[in-house]
This record gives sequence, structure tokens and C-alpha cells, in this order.
Amino acid sequence: GEEVAQTPKHLVRGEGQKAKLYCAPIKGHSYVFWYQQVLKNEFKFLISFQNENVFDETGMPKERFSAKCLPNSPCSLEIQATKLEDSAVYFCASSQSYSSIQTLHFGNGTRLTVT
Amino acid sequence: QQQVKQSPQSLIVQKGGISIINCAYENTAFDYFPWYQQFPGKGPALLIAIRPDVSEKKEGRFTISFNKSAKQFSLHIMDSQPGDSATYFCAASNQAGTALIFGKGTTLSVSS
Repeated sequence: GEEVAQTPKHLVRGEGQKAKLYCAPIKGHSYVFWYQQVLKNEFKFLISFQNENVFDETGMPKERFSAKCLPNSPCSLEIQATKLEDSAVYFCASSQSYSSIQTLHFGNGTRLTVT
Repeated sequence: QQQVKQSPQSLIVQKGGISIINCAYENTAFDYFPWYQQFPGKGPALLIAIRPDVSEKKEGRFTISFNKSAKQFSLHIMDSQPGDSATYFCAASNQAGTALIFGKGTTLSVSS
């Protein structure tokens, strides 16, 4: 498709439960990025993929967060044992190629609320 | 350590006025400086971007001014309109393919 599609729009989890978010990048885009936006403002980079390979995971809290981009499937971001501080909007973005890697197309996000 | 500092945090401008948002960066390896616009409930969308080989770039009512020696860049919105009311984020990255580093955003309100 021509838009980055993120599902679900909203997700509510009790503390300690698992949360799984999905992202379908724009068709033909090779790079996928995940960002966490807290307090409506600050974006924190989590992880990026080049096709199904991890490209940069320097922002990823590895203890509870994991992500995958498998062929012919939406990309996913999974949080095990959610904590209150994980409440945020999670954005996925995609990019067409290495030369245009900085021109990110964002989805509309998944709002995760941990209660 | 915040690598891109953005100011002001919020801005109120009258319709027809000029909105100015400033950003400063620390990493001299950065070579790509975009501005993103975000409306409530939506993801950010690329507005305009500049590379350090030029000092200014203009697209319609939006202009980026870039000062390499001062490590600063700014967004100017001319003839601001109520429809411009949104949150604006500056960002920076380098061609090594590192992820965009975002400023903390400026909420712009244009009063009619």
C-alpha cells in the first residue's frame, strides 16, 4: 500500500502482560524503523530493519523488547511483561532505500496504555 | 544526552504572522536536517529538509535557514495560517544511515 499501516490503533494492557504491535511498511520500502513517543513529544528511536535484518538496534531495551520483520508478514514489536513506563505511542516508519533513508514515512501509531 | 535542542516549546502566532522555530545540534557528523509536522492523532510527516551545503531552502511558505558554523538551523513559516497549527519537530542524521534524532518539538498555535 501507499501508507504505513499500524495495528492496533489502541492497546491496553495490565502491568506484566505482553503487548504486540504490528506494522506494514509501504510496498517496496526496504527499511523499517520503530520509534517510541512519550508525553506527546519526545521521539525515542528503538530499532531499524533492512528487509528482515536488524540494521540498528542501539535504542532497543533488550530485556523486554523484541522486534521482527519477516518476509511476507507485517513487522512486529513485542513487549514482554509491560511496565507503566512503557505507556506511549509507538510509531513505525519506512523508507525506500539507503539513499533516501532519512525520508521516513510514518504510520499513525499505536497508543499503548499500561494500567 | 540530547543531540538536537529545539526551542521554543510552544508558540502562539497571529494569522498572517511569521512563525520561527529554532534548533541546535552537537554532532558535526550530522549532514541531513529535516523538519516534520505532526497533527494530533497522526504520525509526523516530512515538511522540508536541508543538507549543509546550502544555507537556505524555501518551499512555498516554509523556509529552512542553516548556519553550519553555529550548528543551528531554523524553520520559518511565512503568512502563518490556522491550518499550520501543529507540533513541529526538527531532526538530524548522517548519511551513514543512522536513525533520525528528533528535537523535543514545538507546539504551534495560529490564532485567527
